[in-house]
Amino acid sequence: NAGVTQTPKFQVLKTGQSMTLQCAQDMNHNSMYWYRQDPGMGLRLIYYSASEGTTDKGEVPNGYNVSRLNKREFSLRLESAAPSQTSVYFCASSAMRGVGGELFFGEGSRLTVL
Amino acid sequence: GDSVTQMEGPVTLSEEAFLTINCTYTATGYPSLFWYVQYPGEGLQLLLKATKADDKGSNKGFEATYRKETTSFHLEKGSVQVSDSAVYFCALSDKDAGGTSYGKLTFGQGTILTVHP
Repeated sequence: NAGVTQTPKFQVLKTGQSMTLQCAQDMNHNSMYWYRQDPGMGLRLIYYSASEGTTDKGEVPNGYNVSRLNKREFSLRLESAAPSQTSVYFCASSAMRGVGGELFFGEGSRLTVL
Repeated sequence: GDSVTQMEGPVTLSEEAFLTINCTYTATGYPSLFWYVQYPGEGLQLLLKATKADDKGSNKGFEATYRKETTSFHLEKGSVQVSDSAVYFCALSDKDAGGTSYGKLTFGQGTILTVHP
C-alpha cells in the first residue's frame, strides 16, 4: 500500500531558485495538506485543499503556492526559495471532514536552501 | 485560535520506566485530540485519538484520556521499550457542535523520547 507519496525526498537549492514538491495519495481522500516541520516548532500548516478544486491558506503560506491537480495530487511550489524555507515538508491527506480528523502522512521531503 | 502545548523535551528514560508526556490545548469548538508518533526518518503516524470528553484512546500500551475540565490529553505508558524512542506530537482537530471536523490539525511542538536499555 503506497498511501501518501512525496517526491523528491531530498533537495538542495540556491537562494532564488524555484522548485515543486509533488504529492499523491491513493486512498481516495478528499482533503490534502502541506505542512512544514522545524525544530522546536512542531508542524505548521502551509496550505490545504478541503476538496478537489479548492485551496486555502494555512498558518504560514507566504512564499508558497499550491495546485490541486486532481483528487489524487497536490503540489507545493516555491517560486523563489529563501534560506528561511529550509525545512522538512510533509504532505498529508484525510478522508473527509467530519470523520474524526485523522491525517495520513507521507515520509517527508527535506529541503535545504543555501 | 487553536493551540496545543506539550511538555518540554527531550525526555530520557530507562527501559521499563513509566512515561508521561503532558499536553494541554485551547480550542474554540469541540475538538478531537490525537497523539502522533514519528520514528527516525519517517513521517508521522497516528498513535491514538479521542473524539469527545472523557474518551480514552489507547494503542500499543499507550493511553491518553480527554479531560475537558483541565483541557488536557496527557500521554502515558506503564513500561517503555527501546523501540518507543521517537518524537511524539499532540494535536487537535476542531469541529463544530454538530461534530463536523474543520479538517485541519494543529500540532504541539513535539517531544523527543529516548529510551535506553
